[in-house]
Amino acid sequence: EAEVAQSPRYKITEKSQAVAFWCDPISGHATLYWYRQILGQGPELLVQFQDESVVDDSQLPKDRFSAERLKGVDSTLKIQPAELGDSAMYLCASNDDGLAKNIQYFGAGTRLSVL
Amino acid sequence: AQRVTQPEKLLSVFKGAPVELKCNYSYSGSPELFWYVQYSRQRLQLLLRHISRESIKGFTADLNKGETSFHLKKPFAQEEDSAMYYCALRSGNNDMRFGAGTRLTVKP
Repeated sequence: EAEVAQSPRYKITEKSQAVAFWCDPISGHATLYWYRQILGQGPELLVQFQDESVVDDSQLPKDRFSAERLKGVDSTLKIQPAELGDSAMYLCASNDDGLAKNIQYFGAGTRLSVL
Repeated sequence: AQRVTQPEKLLSVFKGAPVELKCNYSYSGSPELFWYVQYSRQRLQLLLRHISRESIKGFTADLNKGETSFHLKKPFAQEEDSAMYYCALRSGNNDMRFGAGTRLTVKP
């Protein structure tokens, strides 16, 4: 069964360093999402892509976060510089535009710890 | 702005007892509501959505627009139902908002 792939699974970094997370959605899924999940809270949308275009990045802290999906397939989320408050699980999800277009499929996530 | 509230962070029931996980929402438009579940060491996955009006693993959820609720129910809880449950709302512009989640524990 196809799954959303994310790497790395875990990342430990020091504050002020740069980090990057990678996501490969399910093949054929045009819509890709990045979420941040702080411990004890639900996922919070950071950015949504439709193919290579950003549809919604209103919740993305653009002074330090950036996201790209250059060829409309896999995507990278970057934080530079990382801050202590960025420690969280970063989830990627995708959905297709067919009959099940409102069902999001999630990756296993990248757990970031900023020291 | 849309908001999803799950008032219970923790819920514990005995096996065979009924269970209800509460979800309330605020949204001025016509919402689409979902329940997602995360079992231990697994990824977040869809449990059910209101437009399907189906029962999954014995769970059902009815959208009550008058009370702006979408509570998840199961008449007889099983130990394998122990998990983290998230209610989510999708607005007209495809913005998805999740509640903070409820951790359900089903005791033997």
